Amino acid sequence: LAKTTQPISMDSYEGQEVNITCSHNNIATNDYITWYQQFPSQGPRFIIQGYKTKVTNEVASLFIPADRKSSTLSLPRVSLSDTAVYYCLVGYADKLIFGTGTRLQVFP
Amino acid sequence: AAGVIQSPRHLIKEKRETATLKCYPIPRHDTVYWYQQGPGQDPQFLISFYEKMQSDKGSIPDRFSAQQFSDYHSELNMSSLELGDSALYFCASSPLDRGPYNEQFFGPGTRLTVL
Repeated sequence: LAKTTQPISMDSYEGQEVNITCSHNNIATNDYITWYQQFPSQGPRFIIQGYKTKVTNEVASLFIPADRKSSTLSLPRVSLSDTAVYYCLVGYADKLIFGTGTRLQVFP
Repeated sequence: AAGVIQSPRHLIKEKRETATLKCYPIPRHDTVYWYQQGPGQDPQFLISFYEKMQSDKGSIPDRFSAQQFSDYHSELNMSSLELGDSALYFCASSPLDRGPYNEQFFGPGTRLTVL
């Protein structure tokens, strides 16, 4: 049974690094792992995408181990505006599945 | 830059009525995805289309149907509405189907309320 799980919530302070992990045991061989940020009542917004190893862009890094059964989104120095829900999106054999979402709360 | 357009933004219907949600993808994006997001829940994949053909099917109820037209816009048709259908419905578009670099760009969503 395809399942994509994340921690329900995380707390952090401004300026800290935050790492959010997503577990996806049955990811399809050819599919990428994508992370999105969502604010209340808005559509998810793309953060980063990767297939394996490490990917970095101007806002985040994504670490994917060789077995690709999990991935970790790293936000280097969070600010108050990073308070949101973060989702991984993973492709399985016949469908796309969002993770359960991690609610990140950043405190001053 | 052009974004995904969804209409209407808000819709109120009564039980057993029908509803049609529309999605206009980003120009030159030929893949469209539909998601349903209930209050406090993660988005649930419903269905996707690539080049006007159904690509993948998720947890879309039999009461719902969707299609992608020749201009690549898509419509989600919902019949015999139930209270549990109240949710945010997101459409996303992508320049590619499943596989590499299929970043999905999400629209603002349609909030459907069934009374």
